[in-house]
Amino acid sequence: GAVVSQHPSRVICKSGTSVKIECRSLDFQATTMFWYRQFPKQSLMLMATSNEGSKATYEQGVEKDKFLINHASLTLSTLTVTSAHPEDSSFYICSARDPSPSTDTQYFGPGTRLTVL
Amino acid sequence: AQRVTQPEKLLSVFKGAPVELKCNYSYSGSPELFWYVQYSRQRLQLLLRHISRESIKGFTADLNKGETSFHLKKPFAQEEDSAMYYCAHISNFGNEKLTFGTGTRLTIIP
Repeated sequence: GAVVSQHPSRVICKSGTSVKIECRSLDFQATTMFWYRQFPKQSLMLMATSNEGSKATYEQGVEKDKFLINHASLTLSTLTVTSAHPEDSSFYICSARDPSPSTDTQYFGPGTRLTVL
Repeated sequence: AQRVTQPEKLLSVFKGAPVELKCNYSYSGSPELFWYVQYSRQRLQLLLRHISRESIKGFTADLNKGETSFHLKKPFAQEEDSAMYYCAHISNFGNEKLTFGTGTRLTIIP
């Protein structure tokens, strides 16, 4: 099946710094990618929808200036957590939609664990 | 608000016994529903979707509009079925936004 990668798989940073997470679709072009956040023992919460070449659409309660999303190409979306604080520590997961008629499925990345000290 | 509900956080079943993971939805239109599975230390992956009406790894799920349910079933549980299972639906057609239930952790007892 299709593969979505995320980099890095885990990152530890100091409070106040910014962290960039990359999400790549490896063998298909994804016009739409999604960013989720998952707290321990909880479900995935959608943060934003990333569309190639346009601004991301953020869910209610998600600060767009805090979580910057860029979808510069059909295979890459990035999430930058700006001025990170300990409460931003979480597991961030991306997914990419393969729109081809034979699949039309979202494929998920392995996730990035962010720890802010 | 449109949502899916998974009433069981934890479910333990003996190997060989039938499994049923419950999912109820609240949606006034025609829902598009999915089951996703996450095995230990692996990424989330699609298990099945209601529109394809297929059986994957022995699992099936039937959409029951009268009961607004989309329960996941398997007649004989296997140890490798132990995982986290999420019911999900697409809230708005056109942008493919998935909304997930809270998940059920299934443990198969050998």
